[in-house]
Amino acid sequence: DSGVTQTPKHLITATGQRVTLRCSPRSGDLSVYWYQQSLDQGLQFLIQYYNGEERAKGNILERFSAQQFPDLHSELNLSSLELGDSALYFCASSVDPLAGGPVDEQFFGPGTRLTVL
Amino acid sequence: ILNVEQSPQSLHVQEGDSTNFTCSFPSSNFYALHWYRWETAKSPEALFVMTLNGDEKKKGRISATLNTKEGYSYLYIKGSQPEDSATYLCAFVSTGGTSYGKLTFGQGTILTVHP
Repeated sequence: DSGVTQTPKHLITATGQRVTLRCSPRSGDLSVYWYQQSLDQGLQFLIQYYNGEERAKGNILERFSAQQFPDLHSELNLSSLELGDSALYFCASSVDPLAGGPVDEQFFGPGTRLTVL
Repeated sequence: ILNVEQSPQSLHVQEGDSTNFTCSFPSSNFYALHWYRWETAKSPEALFVMTLNGDEKKKGRISATLNTKEGYSYLYIKGSQPEDSATYLCAFVSTGGTSYGKLTFGQGTILTVHP
């Protein structure tokens, strides 16, 4: 158990819908990262938040957005869902004492499996 | 687009064999290189984060080396055990610009250790 929690574990929804994935980082970790793993692709970095602020952005679609709240939990919002958005979404956290520097190991949550029908 | 390549794609070894695989990454704008171990039905688990050219890190029977000038890292497993069976991922982090902070993952090497 990494100490990172993600809810829900599974989510099945229809095209065009909107969903919210939730992540609680390890106690004391200030950085949260979101990743997408599709069947045909490896692990893709989406976005990083550090202490409430966006720190780095990957190939995140405009239909997707994220935020980190004052208690450091994070939510990933996916809207206008398409079949191709079906994937495993991971959240990871790290301490990042160097103000968000990416040299700390990341601790991954169990993931949320999203199925869009 | 940053290109991170891992080879081989998959590897089958017998219990007790030692093995190694490679992660290749751009040799310019290097910041850090991460190695993760990902077992089926679990989430990725950090093995090493390497930042300096010539770095060597070790955790039990697993070790890694880093050559930032030529853009590669090797992961070694000594005396493989069935429980080492997993996908081993490397992730490259570059300096500056829009890539800062972003981990670019390779496709992974799938290791299967047969008893």
